[in-house]
Amino acid sequence: DQQVKQNSPSLSVQEGRISILNCDYTNSMFDYFLWYKKYPAEGPTFLISISSIKDKNEDGRFTVFLNKSAKHLSLHIVPSQPGDSAVYFCAASSNNDMRFGAGTRLTVKP
Amino acid sequence: NAGVTQTPKFRILKIGQSMTLQCTQDMNHNYMYWYRQDPGMGLKLIYYSVGAGITDKGEVPNGYNVSRSTTEDFPLRLELAAPSQTSVYFCASSYSRRDEAFFGQGTRLTVV
Repeated sequence: DQQVKQNSPSLSVQEGRISILNCDYTNSMFDYFLWYKKYPAEGPTFLISISSIKDKNEDGRFTVFLNKSAKHLSLHIVPSQPGDSAVYFCAASSNNDMRFGAGTRLTVKP
Repeated sequence: NAGVTQTPKFRILKIGQSMTLQCTQDMNHNYMYWYRQDPGMGLKLIYYSVGAGITDKGEVPNGYNVSRSTTEDFPLRLELAAPSQTSVYFCASSYSRRDEAFFGQGTRLTVV
């Protein structure tokens, strides 16, 4: 059962434009959400997170939005840079569980 | 600043062979995890541990075993390698189940 879904396997954007990566979850017990970034031949690294008591969290060029009623979150990267090209994983967690989405490969073209 | 260290980085096994993937963390995290990532799939949890001496199954534990004798080390054992275990394996650690996890660089395992 896929409790966390990233329906877009890939996304391509132009440098300087906005990248929007989407994630949906099904389990209402999830109350903490994280985004990880992964470069080839490396492990995932933490990027940004949001608690279910918030609807937005911002860190520099990265903003995560949470819509609890829709069980949907998104990651916005503005402006996108070529170095942002990577696979982005969404994760949802509760007290005793964490599930990952399948990832979205972002390509930022110069 | 070693973080989470996994060895080996690459390995080819024959069907039926066994091996141990090593994982060490130096952040004094109680929680440690083993994940596998198959092409086009997300990270699937194999086993996790909430502290020394305590381990529990994740989503895909069959064919694997773990032990946690110290806070730092969390080895993953494959007893009878099968082609279905061809994957990239990641070890991770975190302060709590909910918090951000720190990942190792991964082990690419091929079973032929």
